[in-house]
Amino acid sequence: EVQLVQSGAEVKKPGESLKISCQGSGYTFSNYWIAWLRQTPGKGLEWMGIIYPLDSETKYSPPFHRQVTISADKSVNTAYLQWDTLKASDTAIYYCAREIDMATLPLGVFDIWGQGTLVTVSS
Amino acid sequence: EIVMTQSPATLSVSPGERVTLSCRASQSVSSNLAWFQQKPGQAPRLFIYGASTRATGVPARFSGSGSGTDFTLTINSLQSEDFAIYYCQQYNLWPPWTFGQGTKVEIK
Repeated sequence: EVQLVQSGAEVKKPGESLKISCQGSGYTFSNYWIAWLRQTPGKGLEWMGIIYPLDSETKYSPPFHRQVTISADKSVNTAYLQWDTLKASDTAIYYCAREIDMATLPLGVFDIWGQGTLVTVSS
Repeated sequence: EIVMTQSPATLSVSPGERVTLSCRASQSVSSNLAWFQQKPGQAPRLFIYGASTRATGVPARFSGSGSGTDFTLTINSLQSEDFAIYYCQQYNLWPPWTFGQGTKVEIK
């Protein structure tokens, strides 16, 4: 079964750092783009960035550039989303998702999603 | 950034009815349009891509149409499991790809 499994919910204080994960299984992890998305009641669903695990090529959506770091370790079939300094406004559900087809260029169609990771940032 | 606008925000319907959801893009996205279904506590699920291609496992009562700036998701004979929020998403222009704000299909 093709699936993405994300790490568990986190509760953090403003200013702390955090790294959440997304592990793929049931397919050749390196060959499919992985995206990270944010969902909040106010702004809805937003694309944060995408990564190609084979060579770690990464593309960020402008609002998230330099706000987060997206990385991948193909040896353990895992992608990561990292914050160095969390803010209360980072409180959200974060999803990872897999591109529908193998491709060296992202198509933009993501059919396999992780279960989501709730991140709560509060003092 | 391409803005996706969905209408209506909420649709109250009875099981068995036919439902039409609309999605409009602020500029042409060709046929690079996807539809997702999301139920409470779950991740979004891809239903339609390429404006009209059903994803794996999606029932035939779901159909998508449109190109350019105007798109429609039609659900024929609504079933109880179809009550959810539906989002459209353009993937014609990165960065960024963008979602609409969603249409909630609720029981009348």
